[in-house]
Amino acid sequence: QVQLVQSGAEVKKPGSSVRVSCKASGGTFSSFAISWVRQAPGQGLEWMGGIIPISDTVNYAQKFQGRVTITADKSTNTAYMELSSLRSEDTAVYYCAREGWQQLAQGFYYYYYMDVWGKGTTVTVSS
Amino acid sequence: EIVLTQSPGTLSLSPGERVTLSCRASQSVSSRSLAWYQQKPGQAPRLLIYGASSRATGIPDRFSGSGSGTDFTFSIRRLEPEDFAVYYCQVYGNSPITFGRGTRLEIK
Repeated sequence: QVQLVQSGAEVKKPGSSVRVSCKASGGTFSSFAISWVRQAPGQGLEWMGGIIPISDTVNYAQKFQGRVTITADKSTNTAYMELSSLRSEDTAVYYCAREGWQQLAQGFYYYYYMDVWGKGTTVTVSS
Repeated sequence: EIVLTQSPGTLSLSPGERVTLSCRASQSVSSRSLAWYQQKPGQAPRLLIYGASSRATGIPDRFSGSGSGTDFTFSIRRLEPEDFAVYYCQVYGNSPITFGRGTRLEIK
């Protein structure tokens, strides 16, 4: 059974970048997509973007366009989320989650529900 | 972007009671593209329902979902102590994926 193992907690200065990893353990994610979802303290869930590792197709939420980069290393079954120009409002728990996907047409994809989640990585942005 | 409005924000109930939560979408959603998640403090969300009404693997049948168009509901037939948590609805399918703000179930 696939588990998603995330990297450890990070403390960053405002203006810097953070990279969080998500490794599929007990299987591969070659046939799945990986999304990144964050949760600020006491707040709800916010989708940041995702990647289909087999084709390196990425999709970002408009709010994070230009500031987030999601990549995947198929050889190690690991996905990465890098967030730049950090500010205090980026303090949150960052989750990766697995989802199915289907190509509808050239460049158009259907993403399914998130059925496997990592335990989360706490990122604290503080001067 | 589809905005999901969940109600109520917080609900105080006792074990054994039945509960129904609401999730209203700002525009029509395909039934196959609506999910519900449970989140307990310090834990990642857990998938309960997908396709508006299908239970995920291992989810007890006291959990159920229904709805179509813009109105969806999630029910727990008989609350167990471990069911007190926050519940989120989510629309998936096409980008962007969005979540509701959640409903918190508290023990009365």
